[in-house]
Amino acid sequence: EDQVTQSPEALRLQEGESSSLNCSYTVSGLRGLFWYRQDPGKGPEFLFTLYSAGEEKEKERLKATLTKKESFLHITAPKPEDSATYLCAELNSNRDDKIIFGKGTRLHILP
Amino acid sequence: DGGITQSPKYLFRKEGQNVTLSCEQNLNHDAMYWYRQDPGQGLRLIYYSQIVNDFQKGDIAEGYSVSREKKESFPLTVTSAQKNPTAFYLCASRPTGVYEQYFGPGTRLTVT
Repeated sequence: EDQVTQSPEALRLQEGESSSLNCSYTVSGLRGLFWYRQDPGKGPEFLFTLYSAGEEKEKERLKATLTKKESFLHITAPKPEDSATYLCAELNSNRDDKIIFGKGTRLHILP
Repeated sequence: DGGITQSPKYLFRKEGQNVTLSCEQNLNHDAMYWYRQDPGQGLRLIYYSQIVNDFQKGDIAEGYSVSREKKESFPLTVTSAQKNPTAFYLCASRPTGVYEQYFGPGTRLTVT
């Protein structure tokens, strides 16, 4: 069954304490792996698309990486404004134009 | 400003009533999508449309209907047949040639 699994479900960090969020995806048929940020009561905001193993993309304190079986969202020296739910999603060739989303990781950065 | 708009932000209905959620985009995107988000669950695809006058069912289409008469608009009707309609509804669009989708602000529907 195609699925996207994110861990941990929730993460609390002190301001400045770096960490990583994990996303496991369906390996066979990957066409794109996406990361989104979602603030409470708002629509997801697109962050990154990764297409193949070894690819990395960065934006401010965030860096997304892709291996052959999982993706990581690394957060370096986070600030309280980085608190949000981070969603991982996969587009797979077995599912036409339909993206599968993980349940997300709720990140809380304490000042 | 280009973007995706959803209205209203909050919507309240009585059980047994149909309700239509609006989604408009001025990004000239061909593909549009409707998702439902419930607490503790990932986004689930309701319907999607890759071109005007054509749309396909997603994973949870039962109790919902859509139309795509204009490129800019993709309204979603939640019918009385939908057993658990209370949820946060998200509309998204995607330009041709890329895979990532861009989301609107969402409509929170409460049915009592």
